[in-house]
Amino acid sequence: QKEVEQDPGPLSVPEGAIVSLNCTYSNSAFQYFMWYRQYSRKGPELLMYTYSSGNKEDGRFTAQVDKSSKYISLFIRDSQPSDSATYLCAMRDAGAGDSGGGADGLTFGKGTHLIIQP
Amino acid sequence: DSGVTQTPKHLITATGQRVTLRCSPRSGDLSVYWYQQSLDQGLQFLIQYYNGEERAKGNILERFSAQQFPDLHSELNLSSLELGDSALYFCASSVVGKNIQYFGAGTRLSVL
Repeated sequence: QKEVEQDPGPLSVPEGAIVSLNCTYSNSAFQYFMWYRQYSRKGPELLMYTYSSGNKEDGRFTAQVDKSSKYISLFIRDSQPSDSATYLCAMRDAGAGDSGGGADGLTFGKGTHLIIQP
Repeated sequence: DSGVTQTPKHLITATGQRVTLRCSPRSGDLSVYWYQQSLDQGLQFLIQYYNGEERAKGNILERFSAQQFPDLHSELNLSSLELGDSALYFCASSVVGKNIQYFGAGTRLSVL
């Protein structure tokens, strides 16, 4: 079993729909959770960054973390064709916390390919 | 633009060869991370440097090595290349006190 599981898709939805993307993980030491967006042939771009359990909202994006279930989600409201991309969840343990210099390599899911149909 | 610069964008080479990938972190960032992205394995952490010193190793092969220079740029050296080393290689950097990693555009390596 991989440490982080993510459905590769593709997930195809009509413009304006609410999109739900999810990851499950097995390592209970993970404390920091991130969502990255990656367009084809580009580098990952950070969308959301959360610590421990709870919700975080930023514009059309909402990230949820449920540590008891080892499950994280990203919701996209009013989806747009420009949201079509691969979405990667990423996580790490507490390590050195938020200070630099600790062992802070991220563990990624394999990504979900999202297509928003105009 | 994340502020992380990677060169070259594309690299084509033959099996058995050695290549060097270069990364310039965002201004002020002391940590540099290297990742490999392949279709079957996804994005995998290779190694981290902090202010010139190696801090953490992930799934990095012994044929691969990295270093970070006094001006904080980093190089990833890949030697005795195999077909399976063909992948996208990303560099990321983060600032002290906030471990949010910003990624470069990557170097696409093709080993023929």
